[in-house]
Amino acid sequence: GAGVSQSPRYKVAKRGQDVALRCDPISGHVSLFWYQQALGQGPEFLTYFQNEAQLDKSGLPSDRFFAERPEGSVSTLKIQRTQQEDSAVYLCASSLGGPSGLPSYNEQFFGPGTRLTVL
Amino acid sequence: AQKVTQAQTEISVVEKEDVTLDCVYETRDTTYYLFWYKQPPSGELVFLIRRNSFDEQNEISGRYSWNFQKSTSSFNFTITASQVVDSAVYFCALSFQGAQKLVFGQGTRLTINP
Repeated sequence: GAGVSQSPRYKVAKRGQDVALRCDPISGHVSLFWYQQALGQGPEFLTYFQNEAQLDKSGLPSDRFFAERPEGSVSTLKIQRTQQEDSAVYLCASSLGGPSGLPSYNEQFFGPGTRLTVL
Repeated sequence: AQKVTQAQTEISVVEKEDVTLDCVYETRDTTYYLFWYKQPPSGELVFLIRRNSFDEQNEISGRYSWNFQKSTSSFNFTITASQVVDSAVYFCALSFQGAQKLVFGQGTRLTINP
């Protein structure tokens, strides 16, 4: 079956432009995560959806970052008025998921990422 | 606060050598999960292993083994008889009950030279 896909794979934007990054999770996966990975660093959590509900957006670095998952499947991460410090790889992951608090943990499957370069 | 520290930024060894990647974590939760991921040059994170905080048994999978010690808050990863294909960046990560997001360490870049 298909894994997590992300598009575009590479995006170059001029400072001040808006960008939209797309994530197609594995079919049937309830949970969806966005992470930001700066060069030479580990991924950092941005936001989390359970179906269409955004349950945690504590990692979004500013109000220029906005994510949505309106129908509980495809998700879009939008960055407004991009800045050079936004340059990074943006990773999407999905998992079977479910309500938090369950004793088990669902493995997250990662997409290939979108490399954003802001000039 | 949750934190993962991978003190080794880069490791370079010759093929067939054994190599251990260190991971130290911090959390106040009693229920938590520890992970190792591999990130090859293609960029996609590949899941290797998950352990929960109640299971301190060491695990072996082929040439890979993991040593979980709660007393030292460590979850180290050993590759035996390393191969060139093992070259990648390896991340240790932590998650905790009630919040499935992953907290990653900074990664260790492993280079296996032929």
